[in-house]
Amino acid sequence: GESVGLHLPTLSVQEGDNSIINCAYSNSASDYFIWYKQESGKGPQFIIDIRSNMDKRQGQRVTVLLNKTVKHLSLQIAATQPGDSAVYFCAENQNAGKSTFGDGTTLTVKP
Amino acid sequence: KAGVTQTPRYLIKTRGQQVTLSCSPISGHRSVSWYQQTPGQGLQFLFEYFSETQRNKGNFPGRFSGRQFSNSRSEMNVSTLELGDSALYLCASSTGPGVKEKLFFGSGTQLSVL
Repeated sequence: GESVGLHLPTLSVQEGDNSIINCAYSNSASDYFIWYKQESGKGPQFIIDIRSNMDKRQGQRVTVLLNKTVKHLSLQIAATQPGDSAVYFCAENQNAGKSTFGDGTTLTVKP
Repeated sequence: KAGVTQTPRYLIKTRGQQVTLSCSPISGHRSVSWYQQTPGQGLQFLFEYFSETQRNKGNFPGRFSGRQFSNSRSEMNVSTLELGDSALYLCASSTGPGVKEKLFFGSGTQLSVL
């Protein structure tokens, strides 16, 4: 079946450094991916998305890269701040409300 | 614009009981989906409703059910609760079917089954 997974369950970085969170997916037909951030006590919140007709998309301090050849995507956070500490999920949206989520990577930013 | 609202925030139930959770989507969003989040299984899709009809269903037993009202508000029900049903139940809203789009999540209902 379809699956979306992350390479590392935890990541610890120093404040000001760049963070890279990776994700692999199994379904080569997948064409829409989303990164979410979940802070303690809250539901996941949208960060950035990318469709399969793109390789890269940039937002404010965040960049998502998509490599369809190896079915891999990554989330890059520039100049990581303490407020970036959270659990990050990649997800594949199949149709409207149905998404398949990866397991999540817990990012800890050390001051 | 108000976000997705879920009530109650916390629930404690005992095995065998049933529970009803409520979700109000973002105004104008007509699709409501439900997810179960546990430390071991992560975020698992339960079901999705649009126009009061279930459109998609995940791989959960029939004890898990839901419905949607004409104002797009949704409820999910879990009957004959088991210890393993302890989880954070998240509701998400989106504009509608046939579109691949981001989801807007509520803060969830934390259900503890004792």
